[in-house]
Amino acid sequence: DAGVTQSPTHLIKTRGQQVTLRCSPKSGHDTVSWYQQALGQGPQFIFQYYEEEERQRGNFPDRFSGHQFPNYSSELNVNALLLGDSALYLCASSYVAASSYEQYFGPGTRLTVT
Amino acid sequence: AQTVTQSQPEMSVQEAETVTLSCTYDTSENNYYLFWYKQPPSRQMILVIRQEAYKQQNATENRFSVNFQKAAKSFSLKISDSQLGDTAMYFCAFMKRINTGTASKLTFGTGTRLQVTL
Repeated sequence: DAGVTQSPTHLIKTRGQQVTLRCSPKSGHDTVSWYQQALGQGPQFIFQYYEEEERQRGNFPDRFSGHQFPNYSSELNVNALLLGDSALYLCASSYVAASSYEQYFGPGTRLTVT
Repeated sequence: AQTVTQSQPEMSVQEAETVTLSCTYDTSENNYYLFWYKQPPSRQMILVIRQEAYKQQNATENRFSVNFQKAAKSFSLKISDSQLGDTAMYFCAFMKRINTGTASKLTFGTGTRLQVTL
């Protein structure tokens, strides 16, 4: 049973560029949440997707957008990259249609903006 | 809004000893979950233990146990018989309990870096 997978593992971009990060949820999960973890900090909630719609959003600008596909996988897009966007981006999946509330995390994508 | 505070940036413990990591939180919610996650240098966030706020009994998972004080809004993690593999960042996290059919988000503390030494 594959867990949550993310790609790529590492990414280096230049200020002003755009980036797309990808996440495949754990088998049987239908909800994907994205978190940003700056160095030395705890993860911060970006947004959450369920049924291909953004259901909740944290305090992040519109430069951060996402998408969920019919197979429940998800993408995180960041436009007009800033140096401050350098962080570890974590994807977490869960199954919403039951009492289960656990979120399972992927290994993350390390984004460096230069 | 919820906040989670971990006041110990770093802690160290010798192998086989016991260590307690502190966490306090602030919320106006009555129904919620609390979690401890472990993040080793490999970066994968792993669930260590969870506690449902409506349960008075403290959760335990093998060498890991919590001291949940709802009135004080305190949720500490005790690691017994510490092992070298316990070396990691530990994050306390809060999740509001919502109705089945919707999803909630995790609010994390800033973490405690635990070093287990020989």
